[in-house]
Amino acid sequence: DAGVIQSPRHEVTEMGQEVTLRCKPISGHNSLFWYRQTMMRGLELLIYFNNNVPIDDSGMPEDRFSAKMPNASFSTLKIQPSEPRDSAVYFCASRTPGGSSGANVLTFGAGSRLTVL
Amino acid sequence: GENVEQHPSTLSVQEGDSAVIKCTYSDSASNYFPWYKQELGKRPQLIIDIRSNVGEKKDQRIAVTLNKTAKHFSLHITETQPEDSAVYFCAARGDSTLTFGKGTMLLVS
Repeated sequence: DAGVIQSPRHEVTEMGQEVTLRCKPISGHNSLFWYRQTMMRGLELLIYFNNNVPIDDSGMPEDRFSAKMPNASFSTLKIQPSEPRDSAVYFCASRTPGGSSGANVLTFGAGSRLTVL
Repeated sequence: GENVEQHPSTLSVQEGDSAVIKCTYSDSASNYFPWYKQELGKRPQLIIDIRSNVGEKKDQRIAVTLNKTAKHFSLHITETQPEDSAVYFCAARGDSTLTFGKGTMLLVS
C-alpha cells in the first residue's frame, strides 16, 4: 500500500484565494482525519469522518474552512478565502476500523505545506 | 474533551544517555496512548503505543509506562543515538479521536 497520499505537497497562494487540499486514505481504513500543525498550536484536529460521514468538525476554525469526503478513497479540505494565518502544514490521516488488531493506529500522510502571502 | 500536557518542550542529551518525556491527560476514560516521532520536514510516525490494561511496554531501546491512577504516561529512550533527534508527540484517545501533546524536541549530540 502506498500509504496516505496527500496533494499538493506545497502550496503558495495569495490572501483571498481558494485553496483545496486533497487526501487519499489507505484502502480499507474507514476513518479519516484532517490535522493542522503550527509551531504555536502543535497538532490540532480539524475534522474527522467515519465511513465518509463527518462526525466532529468542532476543530474547524472558521466558516472559511470546509471538508468533504464524497467516497471512501477521497477527501478534500478547502479554505475560501485564505488568509496568512492559515499558513501551516495540513496532515491527513486514516485509521483502521475498530475491533481489528490494528485498531486506533493512526497513519499520517506526508502533509501539505500551505503558505498564504 | 481530552487535554494532554507534555513536558519538557525541549530536551538535550548526550549520545548514549537516556531520555524521558512525560505526559498527563485529563479524561479518565482514555484507554489508548500512542507516541509519534516526527523528523524535520516529515510526517509523524507511530513508534510505540500502550493500552490502558497494560502498565509498561518495551520495544528495543524505547519503552512506555502508564499510570492510570495518576493519569500520566512516559516515554523512555535508552542509549540515545543521533538518529533519535526529532520531535516526539504523545497522544491520548478520549472519545474516538486522538488528542496530541504539544511535542518535545529531542536533541542528541
